[in-house]
Amino acid sequence: AQSVTQLGSHVSVSEGALVLLRCNYSSSVPPYLFWYVQYPNQGLQLLLKYTSAATLVKGINGFEAEFKKSETSFHLTKPSAHMSDAAEYFCAVSSRVNNLFFGTGTRLTVIP
Amino acid sequence: DAGVIQSPRHEVTEMGQEVTLRCKPISGHNSLFWYRQTMMRGLELLIYFNNNVPIDDSGMPEDRFSAKMPNASFSTLKIQPSEPRDSAVYFCASSPLTSGQETQYFGPGTRLLVL
Repeated sequence: AQSVTQLGSHVSVSEGALVLLRCNYSSSVPPYLFWYVQYPNQGLQLLLKYTSAATLVKGINGFEAEFKKSETSFHLTKPSAHMSDAAEYFCAVSSRVNNLFFGTGTRLTVIP
Repeated sequence: DAGVIQSPRHEVTEMGQEVTLRCKPISGHNSLFWYRQTMMRGLELLIYFNNNVPIDDSGMPEDRFSAKMPNASFSTLKIQPSEPRDSAVYFCASSPLTSGQETQYFGPGTRLLVL
Protein backbone atom coordinates (compact mmCIF):
# COMPACT_ATOMS: atom_id res chain seq x y z
CA ALA A 1 0.00 0.00 0.00
CA GLN A 2 1.11 3.56 -0.66
CA SER A 3 0.52 6.73 1.32
CA VAL A 4 2.07 10.11 1.97
CA THR A 5 2.10 12.35 5.02
CA GLN A 6 2.51 16.08 4.67
CA LEU A 7 3.70 17.74 7.86
CA GLY A 8 2.09 21.10 8.41
CA SER A 9 -1.20 22.00 6.82
CA HIS A 10 -0.18 25.67 6.75
CA VAL A 11 3.26 27.18 6.20
CA SER A 12 4.04 30.89 6.17
CA VAL A 13 7.28 32.37 4.88
CA SER A 14 8.48 35.87 4.14
CA GLU A 15 9.08 36.89 0.57
CA GLY A 16 12.66 35.97 -0.31
CA ALA A 17 12.93 33.33 2.41
CA LEU A 18 13.51 29.63 1.97
CA VAL A 19 10.47 27.48 1.29
CA LEU A 20 10.46 23.97 2.80
CA LEU A 21 7.40 21.76 2.52
CA ARG A 22 7.69 18.32 4.04
CA CYS A 23 6.49 15.01 2.66
CA ASN A 24 7.11 11.50 3.92
CA TYR A 25 5.95 8.47 2.03
CA SER A 26 5.12 4.87 2.71
CA SER A 27 5.35 2.33 -0.06
CA SER A 28 5.78 -1.42 -0.28
CA VAL A 29 7.49 -1.07 -3.67
CA PRO A 30 9.92 1.50 -5.08
CA PRO A 31 7.76 4.58 -5.37
CA TYR A 32 7.15 7.26 -7.91
CA LEU A 33 6.72 10.59 -6.12
CA PHE A 34 5.10 13.81 -7.24
CA TRP A 35 4.51 17.36 -6.12
CA TYR A 36 1.49 19.17 -7.49
CA VAL A 37 0.46 22.78 -6.94
CA GLN A 38 -3.07 24.15 -6.84
CA TYR A 39 -3.73 27.85 -7.24
CA PRO A 40 -7.06 29.25 -6.05
CA ASN A 41 -10.02 28.06 -8.08
CA GLN A 42 -7.86 25.98 -10.37
CA GLY A 43 -7.00 22.35 -10.91
CA LEU A 44 -3.74 20.76 -9.85
CA GLN A 45 -0.65 21.04 -12.00
CA LEU A 46 2.60 19.14 -11.80
CA LEU A 47 5.59 20.84 -10.19
CA LEU A 48 8.00 17.92 -10.40
CA LYS A 49 8.26 14.16 -10.13
CA TYR A 50 10.71 11.47 -9.12
CA THR A 51 10.70 8.32 -11.24
CA SER A 52 13.85 6.53 -10.00
CA ALA A 53 16.40 8.47 -12.01
CA ALA A 54 18.26 11.32 -10.28
CA THR A 55 17.39 11.71 -6.61
CA LEU A 56 17.44 15.51 -6.83
CA VAL A 57 14.61 16.60 -9.05
CA LYS A 58 14.18 20.08 -10.42
CA GLY A 59 10.78 21.38 -11.33
CA ILE A 60 9.05 24.47 -12.56
CA ASN A 61 9.18 27.90 -10.92
CA GLY A 62 12.49 27.21 -9.17
CA PHE A 63 11.25 24.35 -7.00
CA GLU A 64 13.20 21.19 -6.37
CA ALA A 65 12.85 18.07 -4.24
CA GLU A 66 15.22 15.37 -3.08
CA PHE A 67 14.30 11.73 -2.78
CA LYS A 68 15.83 10.24 0.37
CA LYS A 69 15.12 6.55 0.65
CA SER A 70 16.71 6.22 4.10
CA GLU A 71 14.36 8.88 5.45
CA THR A 72 11.39 7.96 3.23
CA SER A 73 11.12 11.64 2.43
CA PHE A 74 10.55 13.83 -0.60
CA HIS A 75 10.62 17.38 0.73
CA LEU A 76 9.97 20.33 -1.58
CA THR A 77 12.23 23.38 -1.44
CA LYS A 78 12.71 26.73 -3.09
CA PRO A 79 15.57 29.04 -2.12
CA SER A 80 13.63 32.29 -2.31
CA ALA A 81 9.87 32.60 -2.00
CA HIS A 82 7.91 34.82 -4.32
CA MET A 83 4.44 36.19 -3.76
CA SER A 84 3.21 34.14 -6.71
CA ASP A 85 4.17 30.93 -4.87
CA ALA A 86 1.19 31.30 -2.53
CA ALA A 87 -0.91 28.21 -3.24
CA GLU A 88 -1.69 24.75 -1.93
CA TYR A 89 0.88 22.04 -2.49
CA PHE A 90 0.18 18.34 -2.65
CA CYS A 91 2.62 15.46 -2.40
CA ALA A 92 1.56 12.20 -4.04
CA VAL A 93 2.88 8.66 -4.46
CA SER A 94 2.18 5.92 -6.96
CA SER A 95 3.58 2.49 -7.66
CA ARG A 96 3.45 0.70 -10.96
CA VAL A 97 -0.19 1.38 -11.71
CA ASN A 98 -2.10 4.50 -12.58
CA ASN A 99 -3.51 5.84 -9.42
CA LEU A 100 -1.94 8.48 -7.24
CA PHE A 101 -2.33 8.71 -3.48
CA PHE A 102 -2.36 12.33 -2.42
CA GLY A 103 -1.42 13.89 0.87
CA THR A 104 -3.71 16.30 2.66
CA GLY A 105 -1.97 19.33 1.24
CA THR A 106 0.04 22.25 2.62
CA ARG A 107 -1.17 25.79 2.15
CA LEU A 108 1.75 28.15 1.59
CA THR A 109 1.36 31.80 2.50
CA VAL A 110 4.03 34.30 1.43
CA ILE A 111 4.28 37.42 3.56
CA PRO A 112 5.45 40.59 1.82
CA ASP B 1 -3.93 21.45 -26.79
CA ALA B 2 -6.91 22.72 -24.82
CA GLY B 3 -6.15 20.57 -21.82
CA VAL B 4 -8.77 18.67 -19.87
CA ILE B 5 -12.16 20.28 -20.27
CA GLN B 6 -14.87 20.05 -17.63
CA SER B 7 -18.41 21.29 -17.66
CA PRO B 8 -20.18 22.89 -16.04
CA ARG B 9 -17.69 24.92 -14.00
CA HIS B 10 -20.31 25.64 -11.36
CA GLU B 11 -23.50 23.81 -10.50
CA VAL B 12 -26.08 24.69 -7.89
CA THR B 13 -28.91 22.24 -7.41
CA GLU B 14 -31.45 21.17 -4.85
CA MET B 15 -31.31 18.01 -2.83
CA GLY B 16 -32.83 15.09 -4.69
CA GLN B 17 -32.01 16.36 -8.15
CA GLU B 18 -29.82 14.52 -10.63
CA VAL B 19 -26.45 16.07 -11.38
CA THR B 20 -24.26 15.20 -14.37
CA LEU B 21 -20.68 16.34 -14.61
CA ARG B 22 -18.81 16.09 -17.89
CA CYS B 23 -15.19 15.68 -18.86
CA LYS B 24 -13.24 15.70 -22.09
CA PRO B 25 -9.72 14.33 -21.59
CA ILE B 26 -6.63 15.37 -23.50
CA SER B 27 -6.57 13.77 -26.93
CA GLY B 28 -4.42 10.65 -26.97
CA HIS B 29 -4.62 10.04 -23.25
CA ASN B 30 -5.87 6.59 -22.34
CA SER B 31 -6.43 7.00 -18.61
CA LEU B 32 -9.10 9.14 -17.00
CA PHE B 33 -9.63 9.87 -13.33
CA TRP B 34 -12.43 11.44 -11.31
CA TYR B 35 -11.53 13.08 -7.99
CA ARG B 36 -13.53 14.87 -5.33
CA GLN B 37 -12.04 17.62 -3.15
CA THR B 38 -13.53 18.82 0.13
CA MET B 39 -12.12 20.66 3.11
CA MET B 40 -12.87 17.74 5.40
CA ARG B 41 -11.59 14.85 3.29
CA GLY B 42 -9.09 16.48 0.97
CA LEU B 43 -8.57 15.02 -2.50
CA GLU B 44 -10.16 11.61 -3.02
CA LEU B 45 -9.97 9.38 -6.07
CA LEU B 46 -13.47 8.25 -6.98
CA ILE B 47 -12.86 6.11 -10.06
CA TYR B 48 -10.46 5.70 -12.93
CA PHE B 49 -10.66 4.29 -16.44
CA ASN B 50 -8.06 2.77 -18.73
CA ASN B 51 -9.04 2.63 -22.40
CA ASN B 52 -12.63 3.51 -21.46
CA VAL B 53 -12.89 0.58 -19.03
CA PRO B 54 -13.44 1.25 -15.31
CA ILE B 55 -10.48 -0.18 -13.42
CA ASP B 56 -11.04 0.85 -9.83
CA ASP B 57 -14.28 2.33 -8.52
CA SER B 58 -13.62 1.60 -4.86
CA GLY B 59 -13.64 5.31 -4.11
CA MET B 60 -17.17 5.85 -5.33
CA PRO B 61 -19.05 6.76 -2.16
CA GLU B 62 -22.26 4.86 -2.77
CA ASP B 63 -24.74 3.72 -5.36
CA ARG B 64 -25.95 7.25 -5.93
CA PHE B 65 -22.72 7.87 -7.84
CA SER B 66 -22.05 6.42 -11.27
CA ALA B 67 -19.47 7.11 -13.94
CA LYS B 68 -19.28 6.22 -17.60
CA MET B 69 -16.81 6.60 -20.40
CA PRO B 70 -18.60 5.77 -23.64
CA ASN B 71 -15.62 6.72 -25.79
CA ALA B 72 -12.06 7.96 -25.52
CA SER B 73 -13.04 11.61 -25.59
CA PHE B 74 -15.86 11.82 -23.09
CA SER B 75 -16.77 10.80 -19.56
CA THR B 76 -19.59 11.60 -17.18
CA LEU B 77 -20.00 11.45 -13.44
CA LYS B 78 -23.61 11.29 -12.32
CA ILE B 79 -25.11 11.76 -8.88
CA GLN B 80 -28.71 10.68 -8.45
CA PRO B 81 -30.23 11.72 -6.13
CA SER B 82 -27.92 14.45 -4.93
CA GLU B 83 -27.50 15.31 -1.25
CA PRO B 84 -25.99 18.35 0.52
CA ARG B 85 -22.98 16.26 1.60
CA ASP B 86 -22.08 15.83 -2.08
CA SER B 87 -21.15 19.50 -2.22
CA ALA B 88 -17.51 19.60 -3.31
CA VAL B 89 -15.20 20.38 -6.19
CA TYR B 90 -15.02 17.50 -8.66
CA PHE B 91 -11.92 17.19 -10.79
CA CYS B 92 -11.31 15.14 -13.88
CA ALA B 93 -7.73 14.27 -14.85
CA SER B 94 -6.19 12.35 -17.73
CA SER B 95 -2.84 10.77 -18.47
CA PRO B 96 -1.23 8.51 -21.03
CA LEU B 97 -1.79 4.82 -20.33
CA THR B 98 0.69 4.40 -17.66
CA SER B 99 3.20 2.54 -15.63
CA GLY B 100 2.50 4.87 -12.74
CA GLN B 101 5.05 7.54 -13.52
CA GLU B 102 3.08 9.58 -16.00
CA THR B 103 1.81 13.01 -15.07
CA GLN B 104 -1.90 13.42 -14.53
CA TYR B 105 -3.33 16.55 -16.12
CA PHE B 106 -6.19 18.07 -14.21
CA GLY B 107 -9.16 19.99 -15.47
CA PRO B 108 -10.31 23.21 -13.78
CA GLY B 109 -12.96 21.38 -11.75
CA THR B 110 -16.70 21.60 -11.28
CA ARG B 111 -17.81 23.30 -8.09
CA LEU B 112 -21.01 21.61 -6.96
CA LEU B 113 -23.34 23.01 -4.34
CA VAL B 114 -26.33 20.94 -3.29
CA LEU B 115 -28.87 22.88 -1.28
